[in-house]
Amino acid sequence: AQSVTQLGSHVSVSEGALVLLRCNYSSSVPPYLFWYVQYPNQGLQLLLKYTSAATLVKGINGFEAEFKKSETSFHLTKPSAHMSDAAEYFCAVSDRLSNFGNEKLTFGTGTRLTIIP
Amino acid sequence: KAGVTQTPRYLIKTRGQQVTLSCSPISGHRSVSWYQQTPGQGLQFLFEYFSETQRNKGNFPGRFSGRQFSNSRSEMNVSTLELGDSALYLCASSLAQGGSPLHFGNGTRLTVT
Repeated sequence: AQSVTQLGSHVSVSEGALVLLRCNYSSSVPPYLFWYVQYPNQGLQLLLKYTSAATLVKGINGFEAEFKKSETSFHLTKPSAHMSDAAEYFCAVSDRLSNFGNEKLTFGTGTRLTIIP
Repeated sequence: KAGVTQTPRYLIKTRGQQVTLSCSPISGHRSVSWYQQTPGQGLQFLFEYFSETQRNKGNFPGRFSGRQFSNSRSEMNVSTLELGDSALYLCASSLAQGGSPLHFGNGTRLTVT
C-alpha cells in the first residue's frame, strides 16, 4: 500500500524567505507524485507532478520539487515566499502500475503555510 | 476550457435525509473521481468512474454511491445522512492516461445537522 507523510502540519516563513515543505512517500514501485495547493473555500490546484522524466520538476508560481529515490522524498521548495503563497499544500502519490492511470491518489495530511510580512 | 464544475456549492441537510451532488468534468475527460475532505480524516478517496463504470472504490459504507452518465457527468449520492458525513466533497476529472493529473472542482460543502 502506498502512503505519504508530510512533516510539519504548519510551517511559517517570512516574506522573501525560502519555502521548504517536506514530503516522503512509501511505495513498492516508483510512483507518480504530485503537489497540490488549496486556498480557502476552493478545490485543489495542481502545482507540479513527477512522472519519471527529470527528477527536478518545475511547477507554477515559482515552485519546484526534487524526486530523490534514495530518500523516498519529494520536497517542495520556492526560493522566495510571497504573501499570496499562504495556503494549504498537499503531497499525493499514485500507483504507477495501475492499469487505469493514476486516478486514485493517496494524499498526505497537508501542510498549512503561513507567510509572515 | 471550462474547469470542473460542482453543484451545489453549499448544502445543509438533516440527519437521516439523503443528498445528491453533481459534477461536470472538463470537456474530453472521461474519468471522474470523488474525494471526501474533513479536518479529522483529511482527503479520502470515495470512488472513480470511467465510461459509466465504477473502476475503483474507497473504504466507505454502502450509503455512499455514485454514477456516471454517457456525457461523463457524474453524481454521488449519500443516503441516511449522519453527522459525520459533514465534509467538503471534491470531484476531480482526468484524461485517465498514465501520469495525467487530476483536475479538481471547488467542491460541495455539506453540513449535516
